[in-house]
Amino acid sequence: EVQLVESGGDLVKPGGSLRLSCAASGFTFSTYTMTWVRQPPGKGLEWVSSISSSTSYIHYADSMKGRFTISRDNAKNSLYLQMNNLRAEDTALYYCAREGYDSSGYSAYWGQGTLVTVSS
Amino acid sequence: QSALTQPASVSGSPGQSITISCTGTSSDVGNYNLVSWYQQHPGKAPKLLIYEVTKRPSGVSNRFSGSKSANTASLTISGLQTEDEADYYCCSYAGRSSLEVFGTGTKVTVL
Repeated sequence: EVQLVESGGDLVKPGGSLRLSCAASGFTFSTYTMTWVRQPPGKGLEWVSSISSSTSYIHYADSMKGRFTISRDNAKNSLYLQMNNLRAEDTALYYCAREGYDSSGYSAYWGQGTLVTVSS
Repeated sequence: QSALTQPASVSGSPGQSITISCTGTSSDVGNYNLVSWYQQHPGKAPKLLIYEVTKRPSGVSNRFSGSKSANTASLTISGLQTEDEADYYCCSYAGRSSLEVFGTGTKVTVL
């Protein structure tokens, strides 16, 4: 069974940093593109970033470029999102997702999310 | 990259069919057969319903079907059931720079 468990969400002040983690199990992590998607409270889904299986391709949404860094450790079956210079508008539930296949463009499995709150 | 446009809400009675539209541009929906649809119940993670415009993952009811014409994709739910009451989001591949863009979301109400 595919399982994705996010952690690292917290209350942080504007301008602060946070590192999210996603522990994966139940599939061969090293062969799939992984994605972060966020959802502000009461609002819709927003794609954040994706990283291909071998890290050959890394992409970010425009509003996150230069502030967020996605990475993965295939030996530890883990996905990460380093978030710097956080803003109030980054407040959201952050989901880790596994794509259907490498670079498939759709998220077949989702974690339950970790909450990031940016507030002074 | 702007969000794809979906109606804010759609409603129907049990047993009826409803269709949710998802309008993009020639840079996303119109240019790739890589549209997916997700269902999200309150307090839950999204669930994949449709991928690559028309394909259903194993375990998803055949009451859900997808289609696309030009820059607009559609999700049809036939034989509407109370458990279909949820939020629905479309998503499209948008090229190497923006990669993926979600729709604005549609709340489905079963009357």
